[in-house]
Amino acid sequence: DAGVTQSPTHLIKTRGQQVTLRCSPKSGHDTVSWYQQALGQGPQFIFQYYEEEERQRGNFPDRFSGHQFPNYSSELNVNALLLGDSALYLCASSLGLGDTQYFGPGTRLTVL
Amino acid sequence: KNQVEQSPQSLIILEGKNCTLQCNYTVSPFSNLRWYKQDTGRGPVSLTIMTFSENTKSNGRYTATLDADTKQSSLHITASQLSDSASYICVVSGDNTDKLIFGTGTRLQVFP
Repeated sequence: DAGVTQSPTHLIKTRGQQVTLRCSPKSGHDTVSWYQQALGQGPQFIFQYYEEEERQRGNFPDRFSGHQFPNYSSELNVNALLLGDSALYLCASSLGLGDTQYFGPGTRLTVL
Repeated sequence: KNQVEQSPQSLIILEGKNCTLQCNYTVSPFSNLRWYKQDTGRGPVSLTIMTFSENTKSNGRYTATLDADTKQSSLHITASQLSDSASYICVVSGDNTDKLIFGTGTRLQVFP
């Protein structure tokens, strides 16, 4: 039973570029949440997808967008990258809303 | 403002010793509180989850307590092991949604 998987593991981009991060939820899970974790900080909620729709959103600009596919996998897109976007991006999946979230290993994004 | 504060920020103990980590929150309304363990560069892993009516919950050598009146929680680690070296994050859910509010974590280092 595969847990939450994310790709790529590491990514280096330059300012102004766009990036797409991918997440496959734990088997049987239908809800995906994305978090940004800066070095030495706790994760910050970006948004959550359920039934292919964005259900909740944290305090992130519109440069951050996402998508959920019929197989429940999800993508996080960030446009016009800034140096401050450098962080570990975590994906978490759960079965429905309010259930315990299981986290993936994260994608380390570095913006130069 | 909904906040979760943890102390100490970092902690060093010797293998075999016990330790207690603290979490104070101002989140209201309160739904549940979770403790996660996060190894460096990895996603957080859930240790315990407690609702309003629960005072204590154990998971092996980890025991979490919750005082909903004072809005405080603690995580007690018994007979620490080298593998306990990690960040421990307190996470509070303010309602029945998945919008989790994370503390900044306590960095625990266990030395032989």
